[in-house]
Amino acid sequence: DTGVSQDPRHKITKRGQNVTFRCDPISEHNRLYWYRQTLGQGPEFLTYFQNEAQLEKSRLLSDRFSAERPKGSFSTLEIQRTEQGDSAMYLCASSPNQGTGNTIYFGEGSWLTVV
Amino acid sequence: AQSVTQPDIHITVSEGASLELRCNYSYGATPYLFWYVQSPGQGLQLLLKYFSGDTLVQGIKGFEAEFKRSQSSFNLRKPSVHWSDAAEYFCAVEPYGQNFVFGPGTRLSVLP
Repeated sequence: DTGVSQDPRHKITKRGQNVTFRCDPISEHNRLYWYRQTLGQGPEFLTYFQNEAQLEKSRLLSDRFSAERPKGSFSTLEIQRTEQGDSAMYLCASSPNQGTGNTIYFGEGSWLTVV
Repeated sequence: AQSVTQPDIHITVSEGASLELRCNYSYGATPYLFWYVQSPGQGLQLLLKYFSGDTLVQGIKGFEAEFKRSQSSFNLRKPSVHWSDAAEYFCAVEPYGQNFVFGPGTRLSVLP
């Protein structure tokens, strides 16, 4: 079990550029989550997938954000036309089962700095 | 309004001293309850969780938490803090049928 892995760990981009983050969940985990965390705050839910289906999106996820999980395994989170307010750590997490009450396991995050 | 609160933004304790981090939630029904720890620049690691049953839950690294329904609290404790415990601690809840909600976090500093 290699844990949740995220790539890249750090990304510096100019305002207006597009960025993409990749997440590989723990093998055979059905659920995959994306969270955003800014300095001094707790993680904020963005979206989650049950296998390849995107089941919920937060209001935080503007139309510049898109997430995919095409084969129910890895996922990508793309931010188009980045803004300085997008600077944050983007956390991916996965959990093994359907339903509620499952532990979610986090990756180490992808830091985004928009200059 | 539904929420998770951690009243203490920053706590400083001396190494070897006891620790209690507070967490309160405001939901109609008791949600599932979790504590996570985050070291600087890292992801979150699960310390412990409460679903049902015994209200005193043991976790990793010598941590424990007590669920008190009457107070809507789930406070994290450790009898003797080590310097390596310095980190950010997040309480999280999973209301039934909804996604995780995290508290704002408590930053723990440990004095030698």
